[in-house]
Amino acid sequence: EAQVTQNPRYLITVTGKKLTVTCSQNMNHEYMSWYRQDPGLGLRQIYYSMNVEVTDKGDVPEGYKVSRKEKRNFPLILESPSPNQTSLYFCASMVASGASYEQYFGPGTRLTVT
Amino acid sequence: ELKVEQNPLFLSMQEGKNYTIYCNYSTTSDRLYWYRQDPGKSLESLFVLLSNGAVKQEGRLMASLDTKARLSTLHITAAVHDLSATYFCAVDISMDSNYQLIWGAGTKLIIKP
Repeated sequence: EAQVTQNPRYLITVTGKKLTVTCSQNMNHEYMSWYRQDPGLGLRQIYYSMNVEVTDKGDVPEGYKVSRKEKRNFPLILESPSPNQTSLYFCASMVASGASYEQYFGPGTRLTVT
Repeated sequence: ELKVEQNPLFLSMQEGKNYTIYCNYSTTSDRLYWYRQDPGKSLESLFVLLSNGAVKQEGRLMASLDTKARLSTLHITAAVHDLSATYFCAVDISMDSNYQLIWGAGTKLIIKP
């Protein structure tokens, strides 16, 4: 089954404690992306990756890092989380389909930073 | 500033009624996406609109795009309870290999039996 998986699904942590949210896709997609979703703001792109070892900043990259060492995995790293990073995070993988992209979202990770 | 504005942000309606959700955007684009999100769930792609005048329909939902007016609409016909969800539009401003979507805030739709 084609899918994007994220772990953990829920996480409560304290300010400054490094954490990693994993994302994996089994569709061999080149493009992957991380978003955060906050009430009233829709989704905002954090980072995206066009292929292995190729990443770029989205709209709100501050406080986040990513890596793309393998095509299937795209972890999101918070080196020193702060309360303003409390949010719902989605990973997505994408495939170009003609003039557009077909995007598949993971189930989401709800992060609370106290 | 790039903006994507959806309205209304919240809509409560009765089954059987028709209604339209609007998505206005402030930049040039001829690619727009509509997504659905159920409470506590991930996002599901509904429509991809790729050119001016594009119209797509799936069941009771119909989406259209007017790139000159920078406006997309999502029309609901004879609403049923199962369509209760939050609907997002996203404008594609990708250029070359720089992939970027700008999202609306979402419209929370509640359809009462």
